[in-house]
Amino acid sequence: DGGITQSPKYLFRKEGQNVTLSCEQNLNHDAMYWYRQDPGQGLRLIYYSQIVNDFQKGDIAEGYSVSREKKESFPLTVTSAQKNPTAFYLCASSKRGGSTDTQYFGPGTRLTVL
Amino acid sequence: AQKITQTQPGMFVQEKEAVTLDCTYDTSDQSYGLFWYKQPSSGEMIFLIYQGSYDEQNATEGRYSLNFQKARKSANLVISASQLGDSAMYFCAMREGPGGYQKVTFGIGTKLQVIP
Repeated sequence: DGGITQSPKYLFRKEGQNVTLSCEQNLNHDAMYWYRQDPGQGLRLIYYSQIVNDFQKGDIAEGYSVSREKKESFPLTVTSAQKNPTAFYLCASSKRGGSTDTQYFGPGTRLTVL
Repeated sequence: AQKITQTQPGMFVQEKEAVTLDCTYDTSDQSYGLFWYKQPSSGEMIFLIYQGSYDEQNATEGRYSLNFQKARKSANLVISASQLGDSAMYFCAMREGPGGYQKVTFGIGTKLQVIP
């Protein structure tokens, strides 16, 4: 079945550590995205990528980094510079980035900083 | 100004009844897309329905329909024959612009609870 997978489902991190969240899609989509969701709030865009080896900062990119070496994969690293990383992280993909292109989401990773 | 406004923080509906979740949007673009997503307690965002700005007919997907009123800039989601499994957060979203990459803006959501 085609879809988006994220791992791990739950992640615990000590302060000062970097962690990497995995996102893989087999939908043959060009565009991929990372969002952050805090309790009771909507989604905020961290980074997005329209094609391999290219990515752009979203609204809240500080303290995060990404790579897009393969079309299927768009990992997100939460660095120690991110001051408040505890949140729910959602990865998404779409065929392209136009107004008619629907974003499909993975199941999410819940990150907790101890 | 908020690009997507969802004014109902929470809604209750009796099982088997219909419910309307409100969404208004703000854009100066002629070309845009409107989306509704469902987020159950598990967290996954599930795509429900899409409406393009040039579509003259309201979009429908099974029990979901989108009441699109372009002049009023509203895109309300109607769920018919509510089921217990419909209890979730619902997010309205918009993607503006004719082409290239366009950012998606999400509302803050409405929590729907279906009562047996």
